[in-house]
Amino acid sequence: TQLLEQSPQFLSIQEGENLTVYCNSSSVFSSLQWYRQEPGEGPVLLVTVVTGGEVKKLKRLTFQFGDARKDSSLHITAAQPGDTGLYLCAGAVEAGNNRKLIWGLGTSLAVNP
Amino acid sequence: EADIYQTPRYLVIGTGKKITLECSQTMGHDKMYWYQQDPGMELHLIHYSYGVNSTEKGDLSSESTVSRIRTEHFPLTLESARPSHTSQYLCASSGVGTSDTQYFGPGTRLTVL
Repeated sequence: TQLLEQSPQFLSIQEGENLTVYCNSSSVFSSLQWYRQEPGEGPVLLVTVVTGGEVKKLKRLTFQFGDARKDSSLHITAAQPGDTGLYLCAGAVEAGNNRKLIWGLGTSLAVNP
Repeated sequence: EADIYQTPRYLVIGTGKKITLECSQTMGHDKMYWYQQDPGMELHLIHYSYGVNSTEKGDLSSESTVSRIRTEHFPLTLESARPSHTSQYLCASSGVGTSDTQYFGPGTRLTVL
């Protein structure tokens, strides 16, 4: 069974603090994606990382893909209440003639003003 | 922006009723998915389709059924709803050249009394 461990599961911080969310697996991924989901809505893609060691920045969010393409991190600088939501990582693995996504359990982030 | 639609957004029904949750996408994606998700929790894949007339069961056992007669349409049916079916149901699609990205609909929040 392929697993993608995501931590922490819950995080409550004050506005202005920094945080990091981790996704770890023993599987090698062809790509890894980060999604953000707000209550009552579907997840929305934030970023896709493909190359080992790749770093991508999206305003105050920094995403890193591990050198071996088995893990990834999401770092948020100076968190704001608008960052509140469920953050999900998903790794793509080969499945026969197709690729499938392995989903992490999610990190529920609350940023308090 | 993704063009994937789900109806209804909210549904409250009594036990034993037959229901169909609709999902349509206008992006021409060949792959479509149904997920079940409790609030703030992980996604569970219950059905997927890699093309017309192709459907497969996902990782989580579900009493629902799906059909894929047209590329753009992937309805999910529950023959006899039960309170244990109460959950959020999310539809997603992906296609060639999207780097495995899944585009999600807004979800249907189902409550079975």
